[in-house]
Amino acid sequence: NFLLTQPHSVSESPGKTVTISCTRNSGSIASNFVQWYQQRPGSAPTTVMYEDNQRPSGVPDRFSGSIDSSSNSASLTISGLRTEDEADYYCQSYTINKNVFGGGTKLTVL
Amino acid sequence: EVQLVQSGAEVKKPGESLTISCKTSGYSFIDYWINWVRQMPGKGLEWMGKIDPSDSNTHYSPSFQGHVTISADRSISTAYLQWSSLEASDTAVYYCEVGSYFWGQGTLVTVSP
Repeated sequence: NFLLTQPHSVSESPGKTVTISCTRNSGSIASNFVQWYQQRPGSAPTTVMYEDNQRPSGVPDRFSGSIDSSSNSASLTISGLRTEDEADYYCQSYTINKNVFGGGTKLTVL
Repeated sequence: EVQLVQSGAEVKKPGESLTISCKTSGYSFIDYWINWVRQMPGKGLEWMGKIDPSDSNTHYSPSFQGHVTISADRSISTAYLQWSSLEASDTAVYYCEVGSYFWGQGTLVTVSP
C-alpha cells in the first residue's frame, strides 16, 4: 500500500507557471503510471494527464506531466495560467488491486 | 465516442437499500476495469473499488469492503454500485470511471431520516 501526498493549495497569477507535486510515500513513483484530474466546482473530474505525461486530446499543451525518481514524486505543470485553470487537481496511481488518489490541490489563479 | 452515463440522483432513508448504475458505450466493455469513486461534500476523491467486466472479478478498498457491492452486466455494458443498508455517512456524489481516463457525470446520493 502507498499514499500520494499533494499540497493542499497553490496560487499564482495569470500568465505565470505553477507546478503541483504528488509524492509517493513507499514504492517507486515509476512503478505505476500517474494520472492527473481537474475538477471544477460542481462538475465531474476530467483527465488532464495520463500515463505520467500523456495529454488527452483537447487538453492544451500548457499542461505537462513528469515524474522524478529522486524525489519519488510526480508533477503537473501548467504554464501561461488562465483564470479557467482555477480548479481542484488530483493525482492518481494504481496497482493491480487498488487505486490511490492524492488528497487534491486547490489551484487559485489570482 | 466513449460515454459513461450514470443514473439519476437518489434520496433515501437510513437502512434502505440502493443500486446506482453506470451505462457505458463507445468501447469494448470487457476490455477495461471500471472503478467507483466517492466524493463526500466538500471533500476529495476516494477510490471505493473496481470490477473487471470480463469475469466480474472485483477489488475493494478496505474502507468500503463489506459495505458496498460492485457488479456488472456484460449484456448491457453497465456497471452497478449497491448498498444493502444505507447510512447517513453515505451521502456523497459517486462517480464511475474507466481506464483512469473516462468519467461518468456522477450520481448524488442523499441519505437522510
